[in-house]
Amino acid sequence: EVQLLESGGGLVQPGGSLRLSCAASGFTFSNNAMNWVRQAPGKGLEWVSAVSGSGVNTYYADSVKGRFTISRDNSKNSLYLQMNSLRVEDTAVYYCAKEAVGYNGWYFEYWGQGTLVTVSS
Amino acid sequence: QSVLTQPPSVSGAPGQRVTISCTGSSSNIGSGYDVHWYQQLPGTAPKLLIFGNSNRPSGVPDRFSGSKSGTSASLAITGLQAEDEAAYYCQSYDSSLNEGVFGGGTQLTVL
Repeated sequence: EVQLLESGGGLVQPGGSLRLSCAASGFTFSNNAMNWVRQAPGKGLEWVSAVSGSGVNTYYADSVKGRFTISRDNSKNSLYLQMNSLRVEDTAVYYCAKEAVGYNGWYFEYWGQGTLVTVSS
Repeated sequence: QSVLTQPPSVSGAPGQRVTISCTGSSSNIGSGYDVHWYQQLPGTAPKLLIFGNSNRPSGVPDRFSGSKSGTSASLAITGLQAEDEAAYYCQSYDSSLNEGVFGGGTQLTVL
């Protein structure tokens, strides 16, 4: 059974930093790209970042580029999101998601339960 | 403003059929990129409902079906049940933005 368990969320002041973690189990972690997707309170879903299975290739939404860094440790089956220069608008539940590749595009096959990040003074 | 456009809400009575539309453009759905659908029950994480336009993951009832045509896609739910009350999101890839994109979500109310 695939399991994704996020941690590291909390309350942080604007301009501060936070590091999210996602512990994965139930599949061969290194074989799969992984993503972070967020959801602001009462709002829709927003893709944030992705990393290839090897960790070599990373991708970011324009809204977080230059401030967030995605990484992974395949020896620990773990995914990370380092968030710097946080803004009030980064307040959201952050989901870790296992990527699957389809015939013409990719999608989020499994999701974690999410971790809440609140940016406020 | 989401790249993919969904109606904010739809409703139906138990047993009825409802559809949720997802309208994109030539840089995403219209370019042939797959559309995927997610169901988010209240207070829970999203769950994959349809992938590759019309495929159901194991465990998803066949009451749920997806289709795609041109620059739009649709999710149909037949035999509506109370437990179907949730938010539904479509997702695809946009070649102009070079990133995955979601619709704004549709809240389904079972009357």
